[in-house]
Amino acid sequence: NAGVTQTPKFRILKIGQSMTLQCTQDMNHNYMYWYRQDPGMGLKLIYYSVGAGITDKGEVPNGYNVSRSTTEDFPLRLELAAPSQTSVYFCASSRDSQETQYFGPGTRLLVL
Amino acid sequence: GQNIDQPTEMTATEGAIVQINCTYQTSGFNGLFWYQQHAGEAPTFLSYNVLDGLEEKGRFSSFLSRSKGYSYLLLKELQMKDSASYLCAVVDSNYQLIWGAGTKLIIKP
Repeated sequence: NAGVTQTPKFRILKIGQSMTLQCTQDMNHNYMYWYRQDPGMGLKLIYYSVGAGITDKGEVPNGYNVSRSTTEDFPLRLELAAPSQTSVYFCASSRDSQETQYFGPGTRLLVL
Repeated sequence: GQNIDQPTEMTATEGAIVQINCTYQTSGFNGLFWYQQHAGEAPTFLSYNVLDGLEEKGRFSSFLSRSKGYSYLLLKELQMKDSASYLCAVVDSNYQLIWGAGTKLIIKP
């Protein structure tokens, strides 16, 4: 099992550009999550999904969108990138809400 | 509001014992996780407590007191590779994980 994979590993965007961060898990987990982590800070939940076709907002959803068309994939879309979106983005998955979350390696995004 | 407090940074000596505390005020409680995060890497699972008491797993133990809103992670026989951030996270009444900011642990030889 590859676990949770994320692409790209690193990206530089110009202000106003858009991009999609990819996340795939091969553990057949129902729950998937997107977090951002700013330097020296904890994880902030952006969006989560409890199964294919179902998504919900987390603590900091503004400026982002998600979709969950399959169990495996949970892409995060950034529209009109802003410097405040410079961060490390982690995708995670779990079998259910009280179970261990398994994290991908992260995507480092710099918006200039 | 929901709040999880951990010390920002701690320093300990190789071979020693260190206790990292976490206090929480959340809307409901459905379990508490500890994760380890090395610099530049993703968090990895260490422990989960849902009942009061001590859970031991090798050199690492985690304790929970639900009445006090308090947990600690105890690391014994510290090794240099234990230098990392330790994140406390609580599952609230909506079954969402609320994360603390993490404690950066520095191990000195």
